[in-house]
Amino acid sequence: AQTVTQSQPEMSVQEAETVTLSCTYDTSESDYYLFWYKQPPSRQMILVIRQEAYKQQNATENRFSVNFQKAAKSFSLKISDSQLGDAAMYFCASYYGGATNKLIFGTGTLLAVQP
Amino acid sequence: DAGVIQSPRHEVTEMGQEVTLRCKPISGHDYLFWYRQTMMRGLELLIYFNNNVPIDDSGMPEDRFSAKMPNASFSTLKIQPSEPRDSAVYFCASTSWDRGYEQFFGPGTRLTVL
Repeated sequence: AQTVTQSQPEMSVQEAETVTLSCTYDTSESDYYLFWYKQPPSRQMILVIRQEAYKQQNATENRFSVNFQKAAKSFSLKISDSQLGDAAMYFCASYYGGATNKLIFGTGTLLAVQP
Repeated sequence: DAGVIQSPRHEVTEMGQEVTLRCKPISGHDYLFWYRQTMMRGLELLIYFNNNVPIDDSGMPEDRFSAKMPNASFSTLKIQPSEPRDSAVYFCASTSWDRGYEQFFGPGTRLTVL
């Protein structure tokens, strides 16, 4: 069964500092996508960044970047220059197409940003 | 585009009552997903549709839950009868194959069953 594991229930970072959220996944599929979603107190699920498994280059979106280690099945999110608005629950998710066609979520990491 | 629209945003009902949650996906998206989020179980996929057809409902907890998608722009999730353990936030999401399976989520419906 496909699983996604986030081992850090909570993290804290000082404003303007850098923080890395960890995620590991387990699958036997060769074609899949990986995502990080942000859920602020408003509950809205917002896509932060995505990575296609077939791409070796790590995805980057402004202050957000990932470290994708396919062999290790690791997909961590780095937030640079943290801002107060980055405080939220962050979910790692993996998508498998074909017959599976499911987005599997991790349990989330609650990020606090200290001023 | 207005994004995925869900209604109501909040629903409070009493045990035993019927509850209907509504979703309007993004125009042009051919996949629609219903999720439930609770503290205990996290985010769970309940059911998804492709071109209005239910494809996988293995996540629907029991027969009290049913979902329909009568057309490409509307879906409902119904709970009858509702129970306190159904209290959760219910999300609808949509996507299309050409979006690389990026799912766009609605704002969610917070359901409280007393």
